Amino acid sequence: ETGVTQTPRHLVMGMTNKKSLKCEQHLGHNAMYWYKQSAKKPLELMFVYSLEERVENNSVPSRFSPECPNSSHLFLHLHTLQPEDSALYLCASSQINTGSPLHFGNGTRLTVT
Amino acid sequence: RKEVEQDPGPFNVPEGATVAFNCTYSNSASQSFFWYRQDCRKEPKLLMSVYSSGNEDGRFTAQLNRASQYISLLIRDSKLSDSATYLCVAGRSGGSNYKLTFGKGTLLTVNP
Repeated sequence: ETGVTQTPRHLVMGMTNKKSLKCEQHLGHNAMYWYKQSAKKPLELMFVYSLEERVENNSVPSRFSPECPNSSHLFLHLHTLQPEDSALYLCASSQINTGSPLHFGNGTRLTVT
Repeated sequence: RKEVEQDPGPFNVPEGATVAFNCTYSNSASQSFFWYRQDCRKEPKLLMSVYSSGNEDGRFTAQLNRASQYISLLIRDSKLSDSATYLCVAGRSGGSNYKLTFGKGTLLTVNP
């Protein structure tokens, strides 16, 4: 496999459910990111992990909990979400501090009912 | 003022037209610049990096004006397949990480 892969592609969950999004990168990058994209809004950076250490948390509610066990894997654990959390969640990776672009996964389209 | 601003469009052009997108960035510390395209309900994909001297990739030309903090993308001889949202991105060092800020995107529709 190459690039950045995300699973699942689609997820429907109730407000009391717990679920996790998974991301894996095969590019040898040392940074991974979670972005949220809601309808008609720009991409919103949620979390950044650099060398497996969280270096950015953009005031994201605690119902979103990231985990980065190694430089190739990133998770986003979801718990007691709200309907307004329905969005496209995008994982990305890059080689940090080199000015290189992000490479995105194909995203998880999340619907909270 | 938003860190990266783009004309939201939409742009509707006929096939074969030339179309230009403009983007401004507010942080003078920005060091790297990119254009991404995003198809409906898909992830953004890197279209091209933007270099200080300007660069061209086939029908696409990107320009950077650091003095005016302005980036542009020119698409010549537009094709139906160019229909997408085009995202302007500016990157800068931010402590222990590198921050990439995305514009809201400009929607382009190329019509037959």
